[in-house]
Amino acid sequence: EAGVAQSPRYKIIEKRQSVAFWCNPISGHATLYWYQQILGQGPKLLIQFQNNGVVDDSQLPKDRFSAERLKGVDSTLKIQPAKLEDSAVYLCASSYTSGGFYNEQFFGPGTRLTVL
Amino acid sequence: SQQGEEDPQALSIQEGENATMNCSYKTSINNLQWYRQNSGRGLVHLILIRSNEREKHSGRLRVTLDTSKKSSSLLITASRAADTASYFCATSLIQGAQKLVFGQGTRLTINP
Repeated sequence: EAGVAQSPRYKIIEKRQSVAFWCNPISGHATLYWYQQILGQGPKLLIQFQNNGVVDDSQLPKDRFSAERLKGVDSTLKIQPAKLEDSAVYLCASSYTSGGFYNEQFFGPGTRLTVL
Repeated sequence: SQQGEEDPQALSIQEGENATMNCSYKTSINNLQWYRQNSGRGLVHLILIRSNEREKHSGRLRVTLDTSKKSSSLLITASRAADTASYFCATSLIQGAQKLVFGQGTRLTINP
């Protein structure tokens, strides 16, 4: 089966600019996640969708970050305006939920963002 | 704050040796998962162990879970150069939606 697709793979922007990332999860996976991974650290969950509804966005900096999953399939994550500390790899993941039990998450290749 | 903390932060061993990584966490969990990350294949799920399980095997991987000590260990037997990667434990909390909290990871280097 096709994996989680993300684009772009790399992005370099100036601080205060805007940037958007796209993710297409594995077909049939209702749950979609966006993570931020700063160099040398583990991934940190930014937002979790179940179909097109937000389940958890407690760690999303809502003053500058936004995400949507309008049709319950692909998703976009936007940063506006970007700060230097937003430099990181942004990972998208999806999982299949069955009978109320969550399973393993499948990760995309990530987008490496550099803010200058 | 981090839920999972891996130990050691870095580990370097010879090919063929066994590698053991540990993970400690703070609050009660639904399950604990181990992931591997390298530049070639990104972040990949290795194994999931539920809170009512004590040990699980998958190929050369063995995972243990001690909920009384809030700790888990990952053993990789007969290591290979291809096992060189960062390994993360991720905990899924009991309350709320499936939210994985990742630790800082253990950087494993297998020397030929």
